[in-house]
Order: sequence, then C-alpha cells, then structure tokens
Amino acid sequence: AQSVTQLGSHVSVSEGALVLLRCNYSSSVPPYLFWYVQYPNQGLQLLLKYTSAATLVKGINGFEAEFKKSETSFHLTKPSAHMSDAAEYFCAVSDYGSSNTGKLIFGQGTTLQVKP
Amino acid sequence: EADIYQTPRYLVIGTGKKITLECSQTMGHDKMYWYQQDPGMELHLIHYSYGVNSTEKGDLSSESTVSRIRTEHFPLTLESARPSHTSQYLCASSSQVSAGNTIYFGEGSWLTVV
Repeated sequence: AQSVTQLGSHVSVSEGALVLLRCNYSSSVPPYLFWYVQYPNQGLQLLLKYTSAATLVKGINGFEAEFKKSETSFHLTKPSAHMSDAAEYFCAVSDYGSSNTGKLIFGQGTTLQVKP
Repeated sequence: EADIYQTPRYLVIGTGKKITLECSQTMGHDKMYWYQQDPGMELHLIHYSYGVNSTEKGDLSSESTVSRIRTEHFPLTLESARPSHTSQYLCASSSQVSAGNTIYFGEGSWLTVV
C-alpha cells in the first residue's frame, strides 16, 4: 500500500529565501507523485506531478520537485519565496499502479509561512 | 483552470437536518471523488465513482451517501447531520485517459453542524 509522509507540519522562511518542503513516499509499485497547494478557504490546486518521465519536475509559480528513488523522496523547492506562497502544501501519491482507482493518498500537509 | 464546481461553499445547519452537497464538472471526466478534510489535517477519501451508476466507499468510513446518475454530477448527501460531520468536503474529478492523471479539485464545501 502507498503512503506519504511530509516532514514538518510548519515551515517558516523569510521572503526571498529558499523554500524546501519535504515529502517521502512508500510504494510497492512505481509511484505517481503530486504536490498540491491550498490557499485559505479554497480547494487544492496542482503545483506539479511526477509520472515516471524526467526526475526533475517543474511546476507553476516557480516550484519544482525532484524524484529520488534511492531516497524515496519527492521534495518541493523554490529558490526565492514570495509572500503569496504562504499556504498549505500537500504531497500525494496515486494508487493507480496498484488498484487503478486513481485516488490520491495525501500526506499530513505542511503550512508554509513567509516572513517579510 | 479546472471546471469543477461545488455548492454551497459554506453551510451552517442544525442537527438532524438532511443536506446535499452538490458537485458538478464540465470536463467530461469519468472518475469523481469526495474527500473530507478537517481543519489543519490531511484529506481522506470517503467516496469515489468510476462512471455513471458506479459508486464506491473510500478509505475513511462516512455516514454520507453519493449518487452518480449523470457523468457531470456527483452529489453527496447526509440524511441526518450531526456535529461530528462538521468538516470541509472537497469534490474532485479525473479522466480515464492515462496513468498519473491529474485530479482536479473544486473549491470545497465547508459544513458546520450546530
């Protein structure tokens, strides 16, 4: 069964600093991995996804993530944080390879705070 | 931009009332999902559907029910709401085309039962 662990429920960075949000996964099949962002009182918006093509995935708003099979990780990064990046970030793995429902298994979420 | 809509966005109701949360998508997606999210917590799948007349229970047990009579419509119903049902409910959809399909989410319905 697939699972996702996000290390750190809260991350605080200064505006202009590097953003690093950590995600580790567990999967018995080649995983499909996703990062979503959730702004207050809104639904989830896809930032990027890994589907077994390039290991470095670029997403929207300057975010990118690198799939590292040896470390079972899919950490999200952004070189320079903006105030508008403050939100909740969720890492997720799809169960498509195992049960074909296509449902997502989510991590606990990481709240990103950006200080001026 | 995803075309998936949820109504109502916010609802406060009394215990024992029946409520239906509406979800519609205009993308022609076969798969639809309902996730439940308590404040500050992760999302848990409570229902999903492969297509018309197909509904399945998700990973998290829920007293709610769903129906899928039309491809674009996937409403969720609580026959008798209780305070423990207070949560955010997120509807989502995806296509059958390929593995690693993007799942698109609606903006969510915040339910408060008093």
